[in-house]
Amino acid sequence: NAGVTQTPKFQVLKTGQSMTLQCAQDMNHEYMSWYRQDPGMGLRLIHYSVGAGITDQGEVPNGYNVSRSTTEDFPLRLLSAAPSQTSVYFCASSYSGSGYQETQYFGPGTRLLVL
Amino acid sequence: DQQVKQNSPSLSVQEGRISILNCDYTNSMFDYFLWYKKYPAEGPTFLISISSIKDKNEDGRFTVFLNKSAKHLSLHIVPSQPGDSAVYFCAASAWGTSGSRLTFGEGTQLTVNP
Repeated sequence: NAGVTQTPKFQVLKTGQSMTLQCAQDMNHEYMSWYRQDPGMGLRLIHYSVGAGITDQGEVPNGYNVSRSTTEDFPLRLLSAAPSQTSVYFCASSYSGSGYQETQYFGPGTRLLVL
Repeated sequence: DQQVKQNSPSLSVQEGRISILNCDYTNSMFDYFLWYKKYPAEGPTFLISISSIKDKNEDGRFTVFLNKSAKHLSLHIVPSQPGDSAVYFCAASAWGTSGSRLTFGEGTQLTVNP
């Protein structure tokens, strides 16, 4: 199993550009989520999904869009990149969002720089 | 409003000694707590967890203590090893919310010196 994979590893964007951060998992996990990590702020939840076709907002959803058409994939779209979105983005998955004792598995991250 | 706080950005200890990482929370609805470990250029990995019905959970060299009345938890690593050098995140979740919605602290950089 590859676990949780993320592409690209690193991306530079200009303000106003759009892009999609890819996330895939091969563990048949129902629950997937996106976090951003900023210095001194820990990880903050952007969006999450409890299954294919179901998504919801987290703590910091503005400027981001998600969809979940398959169990395996959970892409994160930046609609119009802003310098405030410069961050490291992590995708995570677990078996189910209802079992709160279940471990979340994180991908290696995508480092995004918006100029 | 930072609901989970790790007040020490960094901690340095000698190999073989005890490392104690601290975490405070404000939301009394949190009932499950986790510690994640993160190496540079990698994603966080789960280390140990504790439910609010317990006050201690042990796994090898790692022990987590929970003081609900003080809304405080700590991670003890004994003995500390150079390979333990990493950023440690405290996280919390609340029953009734989407179970895997974790609220993270800011992280503490642990450095274990040989």
